[in-house]
Amino acid sequence: AQSVTQLDSHVSVSEGTPVLLRCNYSSSYSPSLFWYVQHPNKGLQLLLKYTSAATLVKGINGFEAEFKKSETSFHLTKPSAHMSDAAEYFCVVSGGYNKLIFGAGTRLAVHP
Amino acid sequence: GAVVSQHPSRVICKSGTSVKIECRSLDFQATTMFWYRQFPKKSLMLMATSNEGSKATYEQGVEKDKFLINHASLTLSTLTVTSAHPEDSSFYICSASDLRDSYEQYFGPGTRLTVT
Repeated sequence: AQSVTQLDSHVSVSEGTPVLLRCNYSSSYSPSLFWYVQHPNKGLQLLLKYTSAATLVKGINGFEAEFKKSETSFHLTKPSAHMSDAAEYFCVVSGGYNKLIFGAGTRLAVHP
Repeated sequence: GAVVSQHPSRVICKSGTSVKIECRSLDFQATTMFWYRQFPKKSLMLMATSNEGSKATYEQGVEKDKFLINHASLTLSTLTVTSAHPEDSSFYICSASDLRDSYEQYFGPGTRLTVT
């Protein structure tokens, strides 16, 4: 069975400092992995996805994630946080039959 | 492109009544739509998958007679919460895919249901 674990429920950073949101996955086969962002009262937006091509995936708004099979990790990073990055972030693994399995989410707070 | 809307964005209903939530793909045809439920400060849980013109497939533990899903056209799916109870209060989110094109799901903005 497929699952994802987001290691931090809350992350707080200062504006202009790096962001690291951690995600570990479990999958019985080569997974597709995603990061989604959810701003308050807004729909989910896809940040980036890994589908067995390059292990370093670049997404929108300066985010990127690296697929590490040996560590079963897919951490999300951004070199410099912006106030507008404050939101809920979900690490997601494909569960077969086009289903998505969501992690518990990480709330990112960005302070001036 | 790939915009999904939901209506209403918020709804309050009384216990025992039914409420319908609409999910529309505005600029593409959705062969498949998904309904999720999100509890406060929790993650999204898949409730059911619906393919246009077919009966929905419900996840384990989801009551199909309580959460009626219809996907009558390639741009519209509806979720009806029947005989609502306060424990049905939640944030309901739909997503849509055109599997003829890709497996990517496009999410709606969600509907906040409060049952009093």
